[in-house]
Amino acid sequence: SSELTQDPAVSVALGQTVRITCQGDSLRSYYASWYQQKPGQAPVLVIYGKNNRPSGIPDRFSGSSSGNTASLTITGAQAEDEADYYCNSRDSSGNHPETVFGGGTKLTVL
Amino acid sequence: QLQLQESGSGLVKPSQTLSLTCAVSGGSISSGGYSWSWIRQPPGKGLEWIGYIYHSGSTYYNPSLKSRVTISVDRSKNQFSLKLSSVTAADTAVYYCARVVVRSGYVYFDYWGQGTLVTVSS
Repeated sequence: SSELTQDPAVSVALGQTVRITCQGDSLRSYYASWYQQKPGQAPVLVIYGKNNRPSGIPDRFSGSSSGNTASLTITGAQAEDEADYYCNSRDSSGNHPETVFGGGTKLTVL
Repeated sequence: QLQLQESGSGLVKPSQTLSLTCAVSGGSISSGGYSWSWIRQPPGKGLEWIGYIYHSGSTYYNPSLKSRVTISVDRSKNQFSLKLSSVTAADTAVYYCARVVVRSGYVYFDYWGQGTLVTVSS
């Protein structure tokens, strides 16, 4: 099966912009979705498809993709954005619609 | 607002079968062409997809778990279930159920249950 690689940890100063990346061969064929997870809570979908935000997700969250890399950008990071972020996409290694998650990135807001 | 709630045994002995159910409320499990999935997260680790069941009833599983997993739907009770056989300590995790949208260009999980911790121990 395919793999998605994320940096284990990223930090950003309050109010600044941060980009969290996800790399994998499947991203050449499929869009990534992104999830925010705070301690003790279930993941929350923040970005899906080309660059779509579910209702209730602030517009400071955006997604993009180039080649084998998908990115989640937070423009003007807030203290409440400190969390783990996971990417996810369809697995391109087979003919069936399996899916795979990245290992996660811990975002610290300084 | 769609809500999902996991239930089942929180403690399972090694070699036995883990069984969980996800009750869906606020919407029908049979409507909208949605699919339903289980994901797990070992303590302190990342998310691992277990499998999903399509609205058509077809099932797809993580190849690493495929020989031990069964996901099924009970439409009369508006719920779906997970069975994982021959469990070991490595199966200790928080188990989440989720609604999933699978399309030709992408997949995403838009509604999640709160998760339930399952511990495998004698």
